[in-house]
This record gives sequence, C-alpha cells and structure tokens, in this order.
Amino acid sequence: DAKTTQPTSMDCAEGRAANLPCNHSTISGNEYVYWYRQIHSQGPQYIIHGLKNNETNEMASLIITEDRKSSTLILPHATLRDTAVYYCIVRVARHADSSYKLIFGSGTRLLVRP
Amino acid sequence: GAGVSQTPSNKVTEKGKYVELRCDPISGHTALYWYRQSLGQGPEFLIYFQGTGAADDSGLPNDRFFAVRPEGSVSTLKIQRTERGDSAVYLCASSPERNTEAFFGQGTRLTVV
Repeated sequence: DAKTTQPTSMDCAEGRAANLPCNHSTISGNEYVYWYRQIHSQGPQYIIHGLKNNETNEMASLIITEDRKSSTLILPHATLRDTAVYYCIVRVARHADSSYKLIFGSGTRLLVRP
Repeated sequence: GAGVSQTPSNKVTEKGKYVELRCDPISGHTALYWYRQSLGQGPEFLIYFQGTGAADDSGLPNDRFFAVRPEGSVSTLKIQRTERGDSAVYLCASSPERNTEAFFGQGTRLTVV
C-alpha cells in the first residue's frame, strides 16, 4: 500500500493561500490521490482527488507532480473555517473485489490565523 | 436523509458489555465503510461493504468486532466483551459506487469504563 508523508502542522494568514504538501513516492500507476479534511468533532469531508492531471473545484486545487511522487493541495483564500486536519490519501484498490478503501495517515493540522 | 446518520452519537458502556452502533447511509449508496478514530489519530479502516456483503473486513482488530448490512442499506457494528481500549469515535461512510468519494457521518463516540 502506498504511504503518504505530510507535515504535522502548518499555519497561514486568513485570506492568503494555504499550500499543503504531501509525499507519496511509492504510489502505483493506477492509484489516485485523495484529500479529505476533518474539522474538530466532525467526520472527514471530501475535498478533491486526482490521478495525474491537476484538478480544481470550488473548494481547492490539487497539483500533482509529473512523476506523481508528490502533490500539493491549495486553498486559494483561506478562511478561519478552513482550520482543520487535512489528510492526503492514496486510494488502495484490491483487484479481487475493488475494495477502494481509504487509508488515512496522521494528516496536517492547518491553523488559519486571523 | 441528507447525509450519513449514525446513532447513538455518544455511548458509554461498562467493560465486558456488548454494544451495537448503527449507520444509516445516504439513500442509494451501495458502498459502506466503518472506521475507528482514536484521539489525535487519523481514521483507521475497519470494514467495507459492497451491497450486503463484507467485501473487505481486513481492518477488524479481532473476533469481538463484527458488522452486518443485511438489506444493503443500514449497517450495524457490533462489539462483544468491550474493553477500555475500544474507546474511540466510530465513523461510518457511504459512497454511491466503489470508486467515488465517500461521505462520512458525525461518528459515534464510544467510551468503555
């Protein structure tokens, strides 16, 4: 199973871009990179996912390096409500039954400062 | 319902007792996942259902843990002879298909005293 490495914590100023890095050097060709976040006392919330192309949605942008060994989640204009733990996950697929379970690491605790 | 619903939201039980935790997935979602989260840790995978069958139960820690989804909708996670180490937040998630994003519930906080 491909493993991810993220900084334990980061902070950024409100209104500025938050760039959260993730290393996944052992990722396989058919594994996706997913990002979830978890605000205190809530369940994880899906943000975005990608395979090899950069992706953007209403919440964030995902930049994946050409060799796919790392990625960066970008919150373009962070707000106080973006304070949360952000998880970078490589989605595992078991060919026998296509389980697609998500394996969470410890994530990055992002603090958005006023 | 609007989202994944888990009941109860909090459960306190005595060591050695049996507990059941319930998950109501989003209507029409065929995939259902159970996770467990200890304080300060990321969610830990327990079991995955596709329809009524447990397609992957590799995360269940031991045979005291069991989960069912008899009609392919509601799921129940059952823990026998609870231990203090079972104290955690138990999260349920569902997704419309196997390869799409999962939607999580708010979790059940289980405390074994």
